[in-house]
This record gives sequence, structure tokens and C-alpha cells, in this order.
Amino acid sequence: DGGITQSPKYLFRKEGQNVTLSCEQNLNHDAMYWYRQDPGQGLRLIYYSQIVNDFQKGDIAEGYSVSREKKESFPLTVTSAQKNPTAFYLCASSINREDTQYFGPGTRLTVL
Amino acid sequence: GENVEQHPSTLSVQEGDSAVIKCTYSDSASNYFPWYKQELGKRPQLIIDIRSNVGEKKDQRIAVTLNKTAKHFSLHITETQPEDSAVYFCAALYNQAGTALIFGKGTTLSVSS
Repeated sequence: DGGITQSPKYLFRKEGQNVTLSCEQNLNHDAMYWYRQDPGQGLRLIYYSQIVNDFQKGDIAEGYSVSREKKESFPLTVTSAQKNPTAFYLCASSINREDTQYFGPGTRLTVL
Repeated sequence: GENVEQHPSTLSVQEGDSAVIKCTYSDSASNYFPWYKQELGKRPQLIIDIRSNVGEKKDQRIAVTLNKTAKHFSLHITETQPEDSAVYFCAALYNQAGTALIFGKGTTLSVSS
């Protein structure tokens, strides 16, 4: 678990602003994921990437964007188009799509 | 689309009792079923997983069973302890290239002493 980090731990955003959440891993994993967690909703997949320079939309991609320019980094941008962005965001990585996912500590985003 | 149903949403047991959480999945070609435990304010952590070529797997007080015919799998915790109190998530991986894990909505387990 110590090999995957997220920053910041807490983030406050004003309405209309874009914000970027950082996710870094030093596990040499090919696959990386972003989830949103709301109370009673479980883990909902936003975006995932199975290899550098490639990513796919998950179930709730609207209002979010990602990039995967480096193997170890998978930043998530929450755009102003996301109408209800207040949530706990979790990043994860795995060797490949069929292997164990390891989660980062999460970023709690609050819209003021 | 693909779906994972998890029941119950909350479960309260006395210390020492057993706890069982059940999940069903929709795609019969699914081949990987992990269980995660998330303590309050912390990240989910894998506690046990099972692949479709196995019917049961145990790790001390924790076991997972898989019924491929009925398309359901269950987490069994024996001799529960207060530190088992957490939210538990099941997940299923559909055997289709390009897809990712689908998670259930979670079960909040409370173990009282």
C-alpha cells in the first residue's frame, strides 16, 4: 500500500473551478484506476488505464478527465462540468486488469 | 449491463458469532472475485480473493465460497472480533478484454462485545 500515494489529502474547490488530484505509484503496475466513493454507493469507477497513453471511461466519467503520460502517474481533473463533485476519491493500481488492485489513501474533495 | 448485488447492506453481530455476506453477479464468464475491507476513513484493503477455477478458499477466520452455477459468492467470517467492524466490498471481474472490476455497494459490519 505504501507504493501508491495520493495528494492532497483534503481539497476544497469553489464552484466553477477545475481541480487536479494526483496519483503516483512506484509498484511498476501497468493498470491504474480512479474511483469515487459516496456514502451507500460503494466504489464507482470514473476512469481506468491499462497502459501508458491509453485510458477508458468508467461508469461515471462525465465531468472528469485523465491523462496517462507516464506509467507511474495517473492524475484526475475534476472539471466545472461535474455538478456534484463533493466526494472521497480513491486511486488504485494493479499489475494488470486481472490482478489485485491496491488503493491509495484517498483525497476528500469538498466544493464550497 | 454488468452488475454486482451485495447483501445485506448492514449486519450487526455479537463478538464470537459468524458473519456472512453474499454477492451475486450477472456475467457467467466472470473469473475473479476479490473482497475488500475498508475501515472508517481508510483505504480499502484486499482480505481474500477467489478465481473461478476454485470453489472455496480459506485464510484463518475468513473464507470465500463461489457457486458458479448460481452466480454468487459469499464471505464468511468466523469468531468475529470488534476489529472486524468495517465496510466490506465484494467485486467481480468480467472476462472481457478492456473491462475493470465491478464493485458491490458494500456491507457495514458491526461487531459488538
